[in-house]
Amino acid sequence: EVQLVESGGDLVQPGRSQRLSCTASGFAFGDDAMSWVRQAPGKGLEWLGFIRSQTYGGTTEYAASVRGRFTISRDDSKNIAYLQMNSLKTEDTAVYYCTRCLYSGGRCYFDSWGQGTLVTVSS
Amino acid sequence: EIVMTQSPATLSVSPGERATLSCRASQSVSSYLAWYQQKPGQAPRLLIYGASTRATGIPARFSGSGSGTEFTLTISSLQSEDFAVYYCQQYDKWPRTFGQGTKVEI
Repeated sequence: EVQLVESGGDLVQPGRSQRLSCTASGFAFGDDAMSWVRQAPGKGLEWLGFIRSQTYGGTTEYAASVRGRFTISRDDSKNIAYLQMNSLKTEDTAVYYCTRCLYSGGRCYFDSWGQGTLVTVSS
Repeated sequence: EIVMTQSPATLSVSPGERATLSCRASQSVSSYLAWYQQKPGQAPRLLIYGASTRATGIPARFSGSGSGTEFTLTISSLQSEDFAVYYCQQYDKWPRTFGQGTKVEI
């Protein structure tokens, strides 16, 4: 069974940094792309970024709203994906989800989601 | 960026009724369209990918159709557990984008 468990959510002051982790199990983590999505309180889903498997260079894509502030990385030896968030703003307050991205027809969709971790940015 | 627009924002239906949810893309996404269900306090769950392929374990009462810019999610006979928020998402172009959601309520 695919399991994704996010951790690292906390109350953070504006301007500070926070790193989230997504620990994966139940599948060949190194073979799959991963993505991060967030949801502000009472709002919809916002895609943040994506990391390819090392087979495809481990390269990344980001939403414009977080490019340059957020960085996604992965440690395939530990089955963990990371979301490093810098220069946090109050509007970054949200539940952060990691997702596995499965390929079909040359594109990948989010087939499995973690339970989410809450990041609150406030002074 | 591709804008995904869902309608209606809220759909009021009774158990056993048919529900039809719409999703429109601002430009063609071919069939790279997914639908997700989210219940309060839970993570989203994949229902449909490739516009019309049900994900593993999804009941047959859920069906998806469409291609290009117009897509539909149909729930043939609503069960109590289907009352939730539904999101469409395109995965053709970067950045990936979601619709704003349709809330299906009693």
